[in-house]
Amino acid sequence: KAGVTQTPRYLIKTRGQQVTLSCSPISGHRSVSWYQQTPGQGLQFLFEYFSETQRNKGNFPGRFSGRQFSNSRSEMNVSTLELGDSALYLCASRATSGGDASYEQYFGPGTRLTVT
Amino acid sequence: SQQGEEDPQALSIQEGENATMNCSYKTSINNLQWYRQNSGRGLVHLILIRSNEREKHSGRLRVTLDTSKKSSSLLITASRAADTASYFCATDASSSASKIIFGSGTRLSIRP
Repeated sequence: KAGVTQTPRYLIKTRGQQVTLSCSPISGHRSVSWYQQTPGQGLQFLFEYFSETQRNKGNFPGRFSGRQFSNSRSEMNVSTLELGDSALYLCASRATSGGDASYEQYFGPGTRLTVT
Repeated sequence: SQQGEEDPQALSIQEGENATMNCSYKTSINNLQWYRQNSGRGLVHLILIRSNEREKHSGRLRVTLDTSKKSSSLLITASRAADTASYFCATDASSSASKIIFGSGTRLSIRP
């Protein structure tokens, strides 16, 4: 099976702009989660989508939003970018049935966003 | 704030030695997982331990869980250069199994 893919891998944006990141989960995985990783705050949970519905949400402002399509692909959008949004954005997918295996998350390589 | 905090933040050991990392968390959990991350890449799942388990092994990995102390440890035996990475524990709040929260991580360096 192909792994989780994220596009683009690198992105440079200016303050005030908006950005859309894309994630394609492993085939058959219906849950997609997004994380922000920074040196200061570590790995922080943004949100999780399952069957096109947001199932859980972290403590991020409304500028951070996402969606999931019927094929389980997910996008994350950040509007009105701030310098502090510079981070590695990681997407992870998981199966949602199968005992312990349903908790195991498969991560993509991430999108490195730099806001200048 | 993070659900889990790891200790130590950084660890440097000689190849062949054992490495132990600890994780503490705050709320009741269904299970605890450990992940490895190499140089700012995606994370790789290592092992999962359920809340009703006390110890689990997988190859050179040994994980313990003490729910009364809300803590876990990851032991890597006979370390290798390829084990150099950051290690994270991840927990799900028992009230919301779909929200998985990661600890702050331990950066492990293996000296040749």
